Amino acid sequence: QVQLQESGPGLVKPSQTLSLTCTVSGGSISSGDYYWSWIRQPPGKGLEWIGYIYYSGSTYYNPSLKSRVTISVDTSKNQFSLKLSSVTAADTAVYYCARETVVTDAFDIWGQGTMVTVSS
Amino acid sequence: EIVLTQSPATLSLSPGERATLSCRASQSVSSYLAWYQQKPGQAPRLLIYDASNRATGIPARFSGSGSGTDFTLTISSLEPEDFAVYYCQQRRTFGPGTKVDIK
Repeated sequence: QVQLQESGPGLVKPSQTLSLTCTVSGGSISSGDYYWSWIRQPPGKGLEWIGYIYYSGSTYYNPSLKSRVTISVDTSKNQFSLKLSSVTAADTAVYYCARETVVTDAFDIWGQGTMVTVSS
Repeated sequence: EIVLTQSPATLSLSPGERATLSCRASQSVSSYLAWYQQKPGQAPRLLIYDASNRATGIPARFSGSGSGTDFTLTISSLEPEDFAVYYCQQRRTFGPGTKVDIK
């Protein structure tokens, strides 16, 4: 079955760029049936959608984060990546990658999540 | 932008009891609403999509209903593993969550 796995640094300094990668296994990221999303959850708080990428490379970002977010895809490696620039302590969160079904808009598969702390 | 409101914030119940969770949208979303369960230290798990369709592997005690602006997630008889936080979601917006804890 399809699995997602996040990877990247767990500690980022303020003002620097957070970079994470999600590796998709058990299925192809090139399927037209899905969007590939990043979602985050600050400690003790709710879920915030960051943005998605389609296999074609088209993207859509949360307007509140749009100026700082870049999501890219590498279909040859079956991976997609997140870059969040100019981070502050408010960006400290568990970051999840997730698969969103185009037809239902539901996030049916999630990675386990990776904790990223912004601190000097 | 659609805003989702969930109530109650916390629901204290005993195993075997029925749980009824509410999600209200600030404008009509037709039937495009999903529900998730999240346990501490785990990723959310999809329970219901399109308001009333159970996701793969989800037990029949979980059911969803509603359309337009008002939606309900019902757990017919709480099992010990059902005590968790539940989120509703429409497109890329999540509700604030309802915590179901043990009374």
